[in-house]
Amino acid sequence: GALVYQYPRRTICKSGTSMRMECQAVGFQATSVAWYRQSPQKTFELIALSTVNSAIKYEQNFTQEKFPISHPNLSFSSMTVLNAYLEDRGLYLCGARDLEVFFGKGTRLTVV
Amino acid sequence: GQQVQQSPASLVLQEGENAELQCNFSSTATRLQWFYQRPGGSLVSLLSNPSGTKHTGRLTSTTVTKERRGSLHISSSQITDSGTYLCAMGVTEGADRLTFGKGTQLIIQP
Repeated sequence: GALVYQYPRRTICKSGTSMRMECQAVGFQATSVAWYRQSPQKTFELIALSTVNSAIKYEQNFTQEKFPISHPNLSFSSMTVLNAYLEDRGLYLCGARDLEVFFGKGTRLTVV
Repeated sequence: GQQVQQSPASLVLQEGENAELQCNFSSTATRLQWFYQRPGGSLVSLLSNPSGTKHTGRLTSTTVTKERRGSLHISSSQITDSGTYLCAMGVTEGADRLTFGKGTQLIIQP
C-alpha cells in the first residue's frame, strides 16, 4: 500500500538553531508534496507546495529563506526550519500526492 | 482567502448516539475531505467527495457544493471515535492545496 513516512517524529531544538525534517513516499511516486504546520491551538496551515518540474510555491507568511525545501525525486522531500523560535513550534505534516493525497504522521517540533 | 468553518467546536455524546459534524466553506470547492486527528497529531483520511453522498462503514459524508457546505455523519458512535475531526477543502481539481477548518472535538462517553 501507499505510505508516507516522516522523521523524526519528535524533535527538540534550541532557539536560534535549525532543524531538518524528512518525508518519504513508499509504494507510490509523489508528483507533489505539500508541507503543513499545525501550531498550538491552531489548525493546519499550508507552508508550501512542491511539484515535480515546477518551482516550489510558498504561501503567504512562509518563505524559502525560512523554510527551504528540497524535492530531489518522486519519493523524497525534506524541509528545514532555519533559526527556529518559539513561534515555529508545532506539528509539521507532509502530504504526498499520487492519485490521492497521503499524509505522514508528522514531525513535532519543540523549541526551547 | 479561503475559509473553512466547522461546527460545533465540540460535541459530547453518549455511546451509541449519532454524531453530525458540519463544515461550511467560503469558495467553490472541488474537493471536500474529512480527517480524523489522533491524539498524537497524525491525520487519518476518512472520506473525500466533491459533491453528493459517500459512505464508508459508519461514516457518511454529504457535500452540497452549491450551498458551500458539507457534513459528516457518524452512526452508532463508539468511545474510540473520540478525537478531533477536521474538514479540509481544495479549490482546484487535482490540487494539493488544502485549507483546513479548526476541527470538531468529539467526545463519546460510556
